[in-house]
Amino acid sequence: SSELTQPPSLSVSPGQTARITCSGDAMPKSYVYWYQQKPGQAPVLVMYKDVKRPSGIPERFSGSTSGRTVTLTISGVQAEDEADYYCQSAVFTGSYRVVFGGGTKLTVL
Amino acid sequence: EVQLEESGGGLVQPGRSLRLSCAASGFSFEDFAMHWVRQAPGKGLEYVSGISWNGGDTDYADPAQGRFTISRDNAKSSLYIEINDLRLEDTALYYCVKDTGPTVGTYYGYFDFWGRGTLVTVSS
Repeated sequence: SSELTQPPSLSVSPGQTARITCSGDAMPKSYVYWYQQKPGQAPVLVMYKDVKRPSGIPERFSGSTSGRTVTLTISGVQAEDEADYYCQSAVFTGSYRVVFGGGTKLTVL
Repeated sequence: EVQLEESGGGLVQPGRSLRLSCAASGFSFEDFAMHWVRQAPGKGLEYVSGISWNGGDTDYADPAQGRFTISRDNAKSSLYIEINDLRLEDTALYYCVKDTGPTVGTYYGYFDFWGRGTLVTVSS
C-alpha cells in the first residue's frame, strides 16, 4: 500500500473544477510534487514544491496545502486534462525515500 | 532538448538477469542525480532506485534491495540498472528519470524529465 493516499478516481464535466488530494505522514515535512500521465505517455511534472507550476504548464493548474493534505486543483477542466495524476513526496526512514501516491484517474465527462 | 532513451528490456525467464541502459543527452548529465521508476501494466508508478551525480550515493526502494544495482558512467552520459534473479513481479515499464538536483535521499528531490521507458516482461 502507498504511504501517500489519493482517491482512485474523479470525474468532472468540462469547465468545472477538479480537486485531487494527496495525504500522508510525509507532509508537511516534505514537499509534494504532481505528475500527469496520459495513456501511453511518460509522466510530466505539473506542480512542484506543493504550489509551484513549471513553465509550460497552464495557469489552470494550481496547488495548495492544508496540514497533511496537499491538493492539485485544475480550474476550468478541459478534455485534454483527462489523465492519471500521481503525487510524489519523500518519507524519512533514516534517509529520505521517494514515494508515490497510488494515482488518481481524472475523467472528463 | 533533454532526451532520455532507455534500452535493454525484453522477455526474460524468471531467475535470469537483465541490464537496462539509459542514454542521456541535452543536459550536463554529470551534474544531476538520476533514477529508475517502474510501472507494472495497468498499475501506478513505483520508485526503484536513484544515484547521485558522481555515483557516490545510491538509494533503493525496499523491493529493489539486494537484487538491483544502479550505476552510471558520466563519460558516456549513461545510466544503468542491473536486475538479478528476475521475478514475475518485476514485469513493468522501466523509466529513466532525471532529478532536478545532484543528490539522492533528500526531502526535496523530484523529477523534471522522464524517458519513454523500456518494457521488461518476466515469464517462463
